[in-house]
Amino acid sequence: GAVVSQHPSWVICKSGTSVKIECRSLDFQATTMFWYRQFPKQSLMLMATSNEGSKATYEQGVEKDKFLINHASLTLSTLTVTSAHPEDSSFYICSAGTGDGNIQYFGAGTRLSVL
Amino acid sequence: GQNIDQPTEMTATEGAIVQINCTYQTSGFNGLFWYQQHAGEAPTFLSYNVLDGLEEKGRFSSFLSRSKGYSYLLLKELQMKDSASYLCAVMDSNYQLIWGAGTKLIIKP
Repeated sequence: GAVVSQHPSWVICKSGTSVKIECRSLDFQATTMFWYRQFPKQSLMLMATSNEGSKATYEQGVEKDKFLINHASLTLSTLTVTSAHPEDSSFYICSAGTGDGNIQYFGAGTRLSVL
Repeated sequence: GQNIDQPTEMTATEGAIVQINCTYQTSGFNGLFWYQQHAGEAPTFLSYNVLDGLEEKGRFSSFLSRSKGYSYLLLKELQMKDSASYLCAVMDSNYQLIWGAGTKLIIKP
């Protein structure tokens, strides 16, 4: 149980384009999903917390107009990187909580390369 | 400020035992988590401690002392596949997860 699917796993795009990443909880309903970013050899950095049916809560320093988050259902949250630039290249990971001890289960991650 | 400290890197031998320590200073405490992360992959959940003491799960055990702000992850009978980064994370009073930088564990034959 507690499987989180994230798609795509790898994406290469041109500078100025937008990229959408999907995060799905496959066998449970997730009222809260989390979006992280991780640079090589660094720890996870929380970008935003996504609650179903409401606006996401962004961490300080994260541009909400650049990183659009939509949590339309209890099993799906999306992150759209708008007008991507090379500095947005990173490993993006989503997670979802089952409500059981606040444990977060992670998707496989999306490696974004912006040319 | 909030802080999680864990060693940057550790080396151990296949078949041996290794203990990865984590100390923390956070605004409140609602549990401590250990995750395993292989290179290029997302973290996978290992353990959760909210009360003092030792939680054992197969070859992995996790210990917590809230009064000391201290935890450790104990890995027994090390296997080559255990080579990974081990992340310590604490949930604070606002139910925010504070992440450590991770400990890279290298297993040698």
